[in-house]
Amino acid sequence: QSALTQPPSASGSPGQSVSISCTGTSSDIGGYNYVSWYQQHPGKAPKLMIYEVSKRPSGVPDRFSGSRSGNTASLTVSGLQAEDEADYYCSSHAVSNNLAHVVFGGGTKLTVL
Amino acid sequence: QLQLQESGPGLVKPSETLSLTCTVSGGSITTTNYYWGWVRQPPGKGLEWIGTINYSGRTYYSPSLRSRVTISIDTSRNQFSLKLTSMTAADTAVYYCTREEHSSVDYWGQGTLVTVSS
Repeated sequence: QSALTQPPSASGSPGQSVSISCTGTSSDIGGYNYVSWYQQHPGKAPKLMIYEVSKRPSGVPDRFSGSRSGNTASLTVSGLQAEDEADYYCSSHAVSNNLAHVVFGGGTKLTVL
Repeated sequence: QLQLQESGPGLVKPSETLSLTCTVSGGSITTTNYYWGWVRQPPGKGLEWIGTINYSGRTYYSPSLRSRVTISIDTSRNQFSLKLTSMTAADTAVYYCTREEHSSVDYWGQGTLVTVSS
């Protein structure tokens, strides 16, 4: 069981927008500004798409955006394109029993219809 | 361009210890802002964070793996390593070495599949 909860699947048609949620607690998502999102195509290493809740690394299209409300973070992909079809994972800095670590969500498979 | 490359056995017997090394090229492992770590992914499943270490040897580990994991760093060789004891079939996974800043992984190795089987 993953520490962060994501829906197993999401879908949208080309050109549409889709959002993926990631729910945690005040000990991770809600407590720190260190939420990240990763894109993973089959057989490839993950790629960082969003860091520190809403920042985009250089080279990531501005169609990808991140936000947070309380203990839930969201990734929104606007203007869906075929190449956006992939698995998406959220992660967050977390502290439990005074020990810092990182937790991942279980992943969401995004299908472009 | 920074590159990370995992090396180690692809097959480990149950109850044995896994040892993997990550060689960093194109940049120094002693850069102060960064942590160097490991993430694994069982076949067909999601990502699991294992732990990280910085240039001075400060470590952070997953609570669920803490009792079995050791991450070490060799700055003279620009390498860091993972040891995971008491391997079982549940530890079969692709193991990625990573670079992390503020709990975000910005560089990944290509990954190496480790299978636990007798």
